[in-house]
Amino acid sequence: DIVMTQSPDSLAVSLGERATINCKSSRSVTSISNNRNYVAWYQLKPGQAPKLLIFWASTRDSGVPDRFSGSGSGTDFTLTISSLQAEDVAVYYCQQYYGDVTFGGGTKVEIK
Amino acid sequence: QVQLVQSGAEVQKPGASVKVSCRTSGYTFSIYDIKWVRQATGQGLEWLGWMDPNSGNTVYAPRFHDRITLTRDTSINTAYMELTSLTSEDTAVYYCSRGPRNGWQDYWGQGTLVTVSS
Repeated sequence: DIVMTQSPDSLAVSLGERATINCKSSRSVTSISNNRNYVAWYQLKPGQAPKLLIFWASTRDSGVPDRFSGSGSGTDFTLTISSLQAEDVAVYYCQQYYGDVTFGGGTKVEIK
Repeated sequence: QVQLVQSGAEVQKPGASVKVSCRTSGYTFSIYDIKWVRQATGQGLEWLGWMDPNSGNTVYAPRFHDRITLTRDTSINTAYMELTSLTSEDTAVYYCSRGPRNGWQDYWGQGTLVTVSS
């Protein structure tokens, strides 16, 4: 299995400031044939279903605010919230779908 | 609009089985795979497997392959997840979702809490 390691486990950011979450895969999840990065990011709030934010590592899903962005390739990926809003308090998960699907351990984002 | 509506909470005894349903609407059932994920309290997301609603073909996460069965009823656009030989470690919220083959999950059900307790 491809192991996805997220960091940090939690972070506290002031409103309006940047939040950065990292995800490292145990082997490359970038396809040589199509040059696509098989990574998605999800947001989980208590009592709610997960919400897709990003797929192909950097493509925002429909309706996702543009303060959310994804980047990276190979084994290193990042989710950035450019200006944290109160409604962004949640746990964020990366996922790889290159091999058998696996998730990172999650990063809890709070307001400082 | 796309909706996935799951069956209600379940309480099962150790050793029993549970079957969760996922009724879909708002899109063509056969076009997207149905994918299942669970989250135990205080834990992260865990992949269970997926099913092609068109063919019924399934792929299961290795650690569940001998206990999980994914099925569907195309006449009512509904998918099912059955998990057998339950233990307390199977206590979790189970989610169905849809998504493209070998891809992400864009719409999710509301989740079904399964509690395993004697």
